[in-house]
Amino acid sequence: AQKITQTQPGMFVQEKEAVTLDCTYDTSDQSYGLFWYKQPSSGEMIFLIYQGSYDEQNATEGRYSLNFQKARKSANLVISASQLGDSAMYFCAMSRLIQGAQKLVFGQGTRLTINP
Amino acid sequence: ETGVTQTPRHLVMGMTNKKSLKCEQHLGHNAMYWYKQSAKKPLELMFVYNFKEQTENNSVPSRFSPECPNSSHLFLHLHTLQPEDSALYLCASSQVGLAGRSGELFFGEGSRLTVL
Repeated sequence: AQKITQTQPGMFVQEKEAVTLDCTYDTSDQSYGLFWYKQPSSGEMIFLIYQGSYDEQNATEGRYSLNFQKARKSANLVISASQLGDSAMYFCAMSRLIQGAQKLVFGQGTRLTINP
Repeated sequence: ETGVTQTPRHLVMGMTNKKSLKCEQHLGHNAMYWYKQSAKKPLELMFVYNFKEQTENNSVPSRFSPECPNSSHLFLHLHTLQPEDSALYLCASSQVGLAGRSGELFFGEGSRLTVL
């Protein structure tokens, strides 16, 4: 079975600082995907970044980067130069394909608060 | 504006009521999903529809009944619910057959359900 662990229930960071959100995973699959989603108070889950298990380079999307350490089974999200609008819940998720459809297993999330 | 629209955004119902949640995606995807998000619990996958066929039912009680009339619409019919069913219900869609980031899930803003 797949499992995602996010050990930081909440984090407080000063604006413009970088922040790292931790994510570890457990799976017996050889091929899998790792996602990070942001959920603001409106409720919508917003895709941030994706890392495939066979990708050799860490994924980057603007201010977001994923620190992928396959041997340690970790996929930490790094947000550079944090902004007030980054305050939200952040979820790490692992995917498995079921007949072509993505089955995502989510962690419990980290609530990030950016202080001015 | 999100490509996945959910209605209603908020719903309050009694335990004997029958109601339905609606989801519509405008992205041309062919897989749709229902997730449940309860307080202090990870998002739980409920149902997966792939080309209108249900491919996953994650041991969901029969008081939740999904319906997928076409690849753009997904319903969740609710009847004789319990107070512990109160949660945010999120709909998502993806393009089947595309692994990796291009197979990512796009979420709606959710329907917040309160069962009295």
